[in-house]
Amino acid sequence: QSALTQPASVSGSPGQSITISCTGTSSDVGGYNYVSWFQQHPGKAPKLLIYDVSNRPSGVPDRFSGSKSGNTAFLTISGLQAEDEADYHCNSYTNRYSEVFGGGTKLTVL
Amino acid sequence: QVQLVQSGSELKKPGASVKVSCKASGYTFTSHSINWVRQAPGQGLEWMGWISTNTGNPTYAPGFTGRFVFSLDTSVSTAYLQITNLKAEDTAVYYCARDFRINWFDSWGQGTLVTVSS
Repeated sequence: QSALTQPASVSGSPGQSITISCTGTSSDVGGYNYVSWFQQHPGKAPKLLIYDVSNRPSGVPDRFSGSKSGNTAFLTISGLQAEDEADYHCNSYTNRYSEVFGGGTKLTVL
Repeated sequence: QVQLVQSGSELKKPGASVKVSCKASGYTFTSHSINWVRQAPGQGLEWMGWISTNTGNPTYAPGFTGRFVFSLDTSVSTAYLQITNLKAEDTAVYYCARDFRINWFDSWGQGTLVTVSS
């Protein structure tokens, strides 16, 4: 199973919105509404931000939102804050009863 | 609250073995599977597979068969990852993660750094 494709880096200024893409195939992202997103600060464990494409666990600010179109999922962060600077990883269920992650995207808040 | 606590960092020589533990608390251990995820230095996350805490049945992702073994001790709510015949490319942080259900890794261990060096 090949890794999902994410941009290596994105950047934005405080208060702005950014969107991170996560591209797979019809065997994973496009085939199921099982896409999740994780935030990871340096030296820390990943933290679940979004599950089932667009649902937020309790405690995750509504500045974080998820969506999907075809074989590509998206994470949008609105009202960027300095503490949002981190790595972001997408994950999808696949048709081989497995999971696959993206390569990760480094978000820089300018 | 749900917590996964992993064992500490390991420094091993090539060819040796290592066993990483992941102790769960705050919930019924056998109700949710445990997944293992690898993160090589400066790289993304890589799903290694999962183990059913109900049946003990492991499933390994391609590339993690043969030298990687998932196991459980349900009496102490602990999952284990054993890696045999360690190679330099096994140097990574290994995470355990609870799978609340499909594609919902809601709780993660703090990670265990395994360094393989002669």
